[in-house]
Amino acid sequence: GAVVSQHPSRVICKSGTSVKIECRSLDFQATTMFWYRQFPKQSLMLMATSNEGSKATYEQGVEKDKFLINHASLTLSTLTVTSAHPEDSSFYICSARDPGAGLNIQYFGAGTRLSVL
Amino acid sequence: AQSVSQHNHHVILSEAASLELGCNYSYGGTVNLFWYVQYPGQHLQLLLKYFSGDPLVKGIKGFEAEFIKSKFSFNLRKPSVQWSDTAEYFCAVTSRNAGNMLTFGGGTRLMVKP
Repeated sequence: GAVVSQHPSRVICKSGTSVKIECRSLDFQATTMFWYRQFPKQSLMLMATSNEGSKATYEQGVEKDKFLINHASLTLSTLTVTSAHPEDSSFYICSARDPGAGLNIQYFGAGTRLSVL
Repeated sequence: AQSVSQHNHHVILSEAASLELGCNYSYGGTVNLFWYVQYPGQHLQLLLKYFSGDPLVKGIKGFEAEFIKSKFSFNLRKPSVQWSDTAEYFCAVTSRNAGNMLTFGGGTRLMVKP
């Protein structure tokens, strides 16, 4: 199947700093990418849908100024957690839709574990 | 809004036991259904999917799932589990009316004892 690379896999930062997470589709072009957040022992919750060349669509309750998404190319989307605080500590997962595999198939990155001290 | 419910949060089985994980969804329109697996320390992987046709879907590693429209269910099964099946399993659904957004169930953590 298609490969989605997410970097970094783990990051620890001080409160108040910003953290950027990258999501790349390695062998396909992804016009649409998704960002999820997974709390311990809970399911994945969609944060936003990232569309190449346009603004991201955020789910209700997700602060767009807090979680900045940029999808500047067909193979790269970035999520920047701005002014991170301990409550932002979580597991962030991206996915990309492969148009060649069918409309509803998403391939997932390995996730990024963010710890804010 | 669509929602997905997985009733078993934790399942512990011995090797060679049969597995069935429940998944129910709430949306009544046309849906696409998925089971994803997340092995310890790894990313989510697609196990199998249902779009249309035969409601009994076979996936990788001996897994299968049956779509029962009248019950809004898409249960995952495997006749004989192995220790390597220890993982977390997520059921998910998309529908056109929900913008093809993928909605996940709460997940089921499966532990297979050798």
